[in-house]
Amino acid sequence: VQLAQSGSEVRKPGESLTISCKASGYKFTGYWIGWVRQMPGKGLEWVGIIYPGDSDTRYSPSFQGQVTITADASITTAYLHWNSVRASDTATYYCVRRQGLNSITDYWGHGTLVTVSS
Amino acid sequence: ELVLTQSPDTLSLSPGERATLSCRASQAVNSNYLAWFQQRPGQAPRLLIYEATKSATDIPDRFSGSGSGSEFTLTISRLEPQDFAVYYCHDYGDSVGTFGQGTKVEVK
Repeated sequence: VQLAQSGSEVRKPGESLTISCKASGYKFTGYWIGWVRQMPGKGLEWVGIIYPGDSDTRYSPSFQGQVTITADASITTAYLHWNSVRASDTATYYCVRRQGLNSITDYWGHGTLVTVSS
Repeated sequence: ELVLTQSPDTLSLSPGERATLSCRASQAVNSNYLAWFQQRPGQAPRLLIYEATKSATDIPDRFSGSGSGSEFTLTISRLEPQDFAVYYCHDYGDSVGTFGQGTKVEVK
């Protein structure tokens, strides 16, 4: 199992941004895939998760309406999108695989650093 | 929304000592769906324990989990140099789930 994340990004406040996570080594449509945020020097926070098999998507309350999670099963890739980033979005975002909605998170990507600064 | 509170925030110990980390939930965790992760500096987290007491693949037996309901514990029986890291508990029984704020285990 591998989760290959896109590279670091720098954006100005108000710009749009999409980061990606290419999954391999397992059946993409049979597991949930999600995103976890880690702000500089801080702890872990769930952003949300998606089931690529039917695009069922769940967000943590703090992130609902702030980001969009999608998945393209044809290229086994998940995405995290912002319409308009803010300085407070500066963080490392980890892509993770989850075995089920109420199941363990067993694989992590290396993380994508997002920096938002004017 | 369920809240996980870990204690202490920082644990200062020497190699070879025993570490006991606590995780308290604001309500009972569904089916004991509670996991523990280790995060070393500059690395992604790694799954240690799931369903409160079960060890993940390739995790050394010095790591053990216990507890049920709303009180959980991660024990490291004898600290090795590579065990000095931050540890997070995680509830996955409630939709997306939530993490505790973390406990840092540092060298005394």
